[in-house]
Amino acid sequence: NAGVTQTPKFQVLKTGQSMTLQCAQDMNHNSMYWYRQDPGMGLRLIYYSASEGTTDKGEVPNGYNVSRLNKREFSLRLESAAPSQTSVYFCASSEGVSVYGYTFGSGTRLTVV
Amino acid sequence: RKEVEQDPGPFNVPEGATVAFNCTYSNSASQSFFWYRQDCRKEPKLLMSVYSSGNEDGRFTAQLNRASQYISLLIRDSKLSDSATYLCVVNGGATNKLIFGTGTLLAVQP
Repeated sequence: NAGVTQTPKFQVLKTGQSMTLQCAQDMNHNSMYWYRQDPGMGLRLIYYSASEGTTDKGEVPNGYNVSRLNKREFSLRLESAAPSQTSVYFCASSEGVSVYGYTFGSGTRLTVV
Repeated sequence: RKEVEQDPGPFNVPEGATVAFNCTYSNSASQSFFWYRQDCRKEPKLLMSVYSSGNEDGRFTAQLNRASQYISLLIRDSKLSDSATYLCVVNGGATNKLIFGTGTLLAVQP
């Protein structure tokens, strides 16, 4: 009963490096989301995918790209990491936000130096 | 103005106390409302949905006032294990996205 699995859990990058955060869910949910959480700012939506084959920008998409690889997987890519992208990143999925809300993964703690 | 506003706290209360958190939201088209709980360095987890008529789950009671665009969470008989950050969450009108408040920190003292 894994739910939403994120990898890696921790990562340190140098400025300018690239990396991909992976997210997979085994609940057959249609919608998937990427959020970042910073102190005092709360959770902010980066990108989301309402269904397989679609992606849309959220509140803070600059510096990120996403891929909805299939119904299970939704990855987030940082092409050229910046210190401002130091954050905790959460992936979430939902089968009906209005009724069920989200299920979150355990997060990725990213530090860009 | 933030779309969802909460008092950040911290609320420091003794075990057994009753504590209430409030939240206001700006989008009158919002239809779905939740309280999430987030433990330190963990992911948010759904605590309870909030229904128009109010709802209760054990020691937790949630209320919604649509006219005032106000949501509340009441915790009775606080336990040490209730110590966490409580996030007020609403959907963004007719969308499948949720908007999170910045959270209210609760610390229950022995």
